[in-house]
Amino acid sequence: GAVVSQHPSWVICKSGTSVKIECRSLDFQATTMFWYRQFPKQSLMLMATSNEGSKATYEQGVEKDKFLINHASLTLSTLTVTSAHPEDSSFYICSAGPGGQPQHFGDGTRLSIL
Amino acid sequence: LAKTTQPISMDSYEGQEVNITCSHNNIATNDYITWYQQFPSQGPRFIIQGYKTKVTNEVASLFIPADRKSSTLSLPRVSLSDTAVYYCLVVGAGGYSTLTFGKGTMLLVSP
Repeated sequence: GAVVSQHPSWVICKSGTSVKIECRSLDFQATTMFWYRQFPKQSLMLMATSNEGSKATYEQGVEKDKFLINHASLTLSTLTVTSAHPEDSSFYICSAGPGGQPQHFGDGTRLSIL
Repeated sequence: LAKTTQPISMDSYEGQEVNITCSHNNIATNDYITWYQQFPSQGPRFIIQGYKTKVTNEVASLFIPADRKSSTLSLPRVSLSDTAVYYCLVVGAGGYSTLTFGKGTMLLVSP
């Protein structure tokens, strides 16, 4: 089945640091990938849609300059949280799926900003 | 996007069958019904997807009535490891539609 890999799984860093999270489709090509954020005991909230070779589409209320998305190849999308602050601490999850098939999710990245 | 409604929580015991119902009154003709399972600190895992009637795979069954305004996920003989949050989503055809997650159903399986 389709496999989506996310790295790193856990990050702790100081306030003001920029953090990059990678999302890879391991056995299929993904022209579109999705990034979600999940706070404790809450549901997943879509942040942005990552499009290979073009700009990402951000959901309302998500700062594009804060959450930089790059989708430079058909198997890799990256989310960079720039100048992270404690309020950016959350669980970040990506998803992708072969065309016409259900989305599959990465295992998530736990981001903790001190 | 069709909104889904499901119970916030359910309790069960090991070995029992669990049925989680989801309502999606505004489902569109081309939409599919998809269920995901999520354990703490993990990404959601695809369980099953269907369009109408009944779909069965190795882990669950999905029952969809003719009007498609609701669906029921059936988990046979649950075990402790089935304790998780279950999300019902309505997804447009094509696989590239954005997914809108509701609150999900927290299933607690006890010994």
